[in-house]
Amino acid sequence: EAEVAQSPRYKITEKSQAVAFWCDPISGHATLYWYRQILGQGPELLVQFQDESVVDDSQLPKDRFSAERLKGVDSTLKIQPAELGDSAMYLCASSGSQGFTEAFFGQGTRLTVV
Amino acid sequence: RKEVEQDPGPFNVPEGATVAFNCTYSNSASQSFFWYRQDCRKEPKLLMSVYSSGNEDGRFTAQLNRASQYISLLIRDSKLSDSATYLCVVNYRNDYKLSFGAGTTVTVRA
Repeated sequence: EAEVAQSPRYKITEKSQAVAFWCDPISGHATLYWYRQILGQGPELLVQFQDESVVDDSQLPKDRFSAERLKGVDSTLKIQPAELGDSAMYLCASSGSQGFTEAFFGQGTRLTVV
Repeated sequence: RKEVEQDPGPFNVPEGATVAFNCTYSNSASQSFFWYRQDCRKEPKLLMSVYSSGNEDGRFTAQLNRASQYISLLIRDSKLSDSATYLCVVNYRNDYKLSFGAGTTVTVRA
């Protein structure tokens, strides 16, 4: 069964350091999402790509977060500098098309900023 | 007001019981609806899509009420393995963003 791959699974970093997460969506999926989930809350959308284009990044803290999907396949989410409040689960999901099909999630990267 | 709101829970039910909970959404332009299941510290996984006519998958029944802007999930004959957080997900026609509720926690006890 095709899966969304994410790495690393766990990351501990000191505040003010840079950190990066990687996601490889299911092959052929044009839509890719990055979500952040704080314990006890639902996932919050950070950025949405359609192929290599950003469709929605309105909730992405652009002073410290950046995301790219250069060839419309895999994607990287970066935080620089990390802050204590960034500790959360970062989830990547992909979907075969916008709007009408479900999204499939990777296992996530659990970030702890100390 | 949040785009998607869910019954806060937690719902603690005995094995074999029926449990049901709702999710309301604020944007009438909503297009697609889903229920996802999330186990503790794991990723969300699709439980079922929700269709206009309502749909059933084994012990799970989902209903959509567009007029009142809510969807519901009913679990019959609860199993211990049904213990999880159930996330309501709404997809909007205008921007195709998937919006999640905060989740409803269900605990099934022996």
